Amino acid sequence: QKEVEQDPGPLSVPEGAIVSLNCTYSNSAFQYFMWYRQYSRKGPELLMYTYSSGNKEDGRFTAQVDKSSKYISLFIRDSQPSDSATYLCAMSVNAGGTSYGKLTFGQGTILTVHP
Amino acid sequence: DAGITQSPRYKITETGRQVTLMCHQTWSHSYMFWYRQDLGHGLRLIYYSAAADITDKGEVPDGYVVSRSKTENFPLTLESATRSQTSVYFCASRVAGLTDTQYFGPGTRLTVL
Repeated sequence: QKEVEQDPGPLSVPEGAIVSLNCTYSNSAFQYFMWYRQYSRKGPELLMYTYSSGNKEDGRFTAQVDKSSKYISLFIRDSQPSDSATYLCAMSVNAGGTSYGKLTFGQGTILTVHP
Repeated sequence: DAGITQSPRYKITETGRQVTLMCHQTWSHSYMFWYRQDLGHGLRLIYYSAAADITDKGEVPDGYVVSRSKTENFPLTLESATRSQTSVYFCASRVAGLTDTQYFGPGTRLTVL
């Protein structure tokens, strides 16, 4: 069983829809949770960063962490065609410092928002 | 331009040849990483470096060699390329600090024939 599970999709939604992307994990030591967005033939770029449980909002994006269920989500409101990309969740145990800060990634979910 | 650059962006080589992928960052980040991305496997860590002259293996280091003589450069060498090393390779970096956030380069698409 993988440490981080993410449904690869693909997910196709109409413009304006609310999108929900999810990851589950098995390592209860994970404390730091990230969402990366990767456009086709580009490198992943950081979208959201959260610590421990709770919600974080940034514009149309909301990241949610439920540590008790070992479940994280990314919600995209009023989705746009420009949101079409692969979304990767990533997690770590440590907050940087002297450790190298291993990130454990999900496989990524391919999202297409059609006009 | 600031950030991480990778070269070449595309490379085709033959089995058995030596290939070096270059990574350069302008942020003076301490940590640098090499990943490969394959369908069905996601991102897998090949090697990482905590500082100049300090490197260590990741999940899938076999067949790869790294060096880091300068903070800003972290080349990845495939000593004798195999077809299974056909992949997209990403370099990343992060500052030693309060988060584990890594910043990625644009990638090198390598095909081994």
